[in-house]
Amino acid sequence: NAGVTQTPKFQVLKTGQSMTLQCAQDMNHEYMSWYRQDPGMGLRLIHYSVGAGITDQGEVPNGYNVSRSTTEDFPLRLLSAAPSQTSVYFCASSYSPVTGELFFGEGSRLTVL
Amino acid sequence: SQQGEEDPQALSIQEGENATMNCSYKTSINNLQWYRQNSGRGLVHLILIRSNEREKHSGRLRVTLDTSKKSSSLLITASRAADTASYFCATDEGGGFKTIFGAGTRLFVKA
Repeated sequence: NAGVTQTPKFQVLKTGQSMTLQCAQDMNHEYMSWYRQDPGMGLRLIHYSVGAGITDQGEVPNGYNVSRSTTEDFPLRLLSAAPSQTSVYFCASSYSPVTGELFFGEGSRLTVL
Repeated sequence: SQQGEEDPQALSIQEGENATMNCSYKTSINNLQWYRQNSGRGLVHLILIRSNEREKHSGRLRVTLDTSKKSSSLLITASRAADTASYFCATDEGGGFKTIFGAGTRLFVKA
C-alpha cells in the first residue's frame, strides 16, 4: 500500500497562474481532506469530502476548488494563485471522520511569487 | 478559527524526562486526537480519545480528557531524542465532519 500520495512535492508559481495539486489514496477511504500549514501554525482545513461526488468547505476555502469524482482521488485546484497561498499543503484520508485517524501525505510545498 | 490551542508553544527537556503538553478546545466533541509531525513531514496519528473516556494509554503516551474544562493533555514518559517533533491536538469540531487542528507544541528533547 502506498497510502496517501501527493504530487507534486514542490511547485513555484507566478501570481495569477493556476495549478492542481493531486492527491490519491489506495486505502478505499471515504473521507478525504486538504489542509494548509503556514510557518509556526497548525493545519487549517481547506475543503473536505465524505465520499465521491460530495465536497464541503473547511476553515479557509477561498481561492481553492475541489472535486471528488472517484473514491481514490481528491485534487485541489488553485484558480488564480496569490502570494498568500504560499504554504505547505497536506492531503489526508480516513475510513471515517467520526472514528478518526487521518492518514496524511508527505505534503506539497507551494511558492507563489 | 482553530478549535484546539496547545500549551506550551515550545518545550525543551532532557532525555529521560517526561513531557506534558496541553490542549484546549471550544466546542463539544465526539473525539480528540493527538498527532506528531517530524520536521518537513506529514502528520502521524498517535492516539484518539473519545468524549466518554477520561484517560487512555499507548506505550509511553498517556492522554487525558476533561470535557467539563474542554481540555486534554498528552504526557510522554521517559522521553528520547527521537521524540523531538511537533505535536498537535485535533478535534471533530461540534461533532461534525471537520477535523480541526491546533497550532501545536514543538518539543525538543536533548540527548
